Amino acid sequence: EAQVTQNPRYLITVTGKKLTVTCSQNMNHEYMSWYRQDPGLGLRQIYYSMNVEVTDKGDVPEGYKVSRKEKRNFPLILESPSPNQTSLYFCASSATGAVLGYTFGSGTRLTVV
Amino acid sequence: QKEVEQDPGPLSVPEGAIVSLNCTYSNSAFQYFMWYRQYSRKGPELLMYTYSSGNKEDGRFTAQVDKSSKYISLFIRDSQPSDSATYLCAMSLNTGNQFYFGTGTSLTVIP
Repeated sequence: EAQVTQNPRYLITVTGKKLTVTCSQNMNHEYMSWYRQDPGLGLRQIYYSMNVEVTDKGDVPEGYKVSRKEKRNFPLILESPSPNQTSLYFCASSATGAVLGYTFGSGTRLTVV
Repeated sequence: QKEVEQDPGPLSVPEGAIVSLNCTYSNSAFQYFMWYRQYSRKGPELLMYTYSSGNKEDGRFTAQVDKSSKYISLFIRDSQPSDSATYLCAMSLNTGNQFYFGTGTSLTVIP
């Protein structure tokens, strides 16, 4: 089944403790992206990648890092999480970027206390 | 001013009604327009996409783009309880990778 898999689905952590949210897609898509979704603010892009070793900032990159060493994986790293990073995070992938839209994962609910 | 504005609702309609969901935008350079549907506790899924102005129909769904008014719409005919979800509009400047999403409209279809 074609899908984007994120792990974990739920995570509660403390301020300052480094964490990684993994994302993997099995569709051989070139484009991958991370979004966060907050009430009243909608989906905002954090980082995106157009291919292996090619990444760029989205609208809200502060406090996040990404890497794209393999085509299928695009982990999101929070080096020192803070409470304002409490959010619902989505990874997404696409074969063609904007034209055919993205396939989204099921989300990771992160709470930073 | 946000790039994309969408009324959050909530919108509640009886089964069988015609539903109209709308977004306005400020950037006249947007060329690709999409509608996503998001069920509770799930990621958004692409419902429809259009390029530039005009209408596109897919079953009970019709997407409409009016670039002169910077206004897009999604119409749902014969709405069903299974259509109950949050609907997000999204736009892009080109075939690249940066999307701009609306905040979503919550729709409930009552049996």
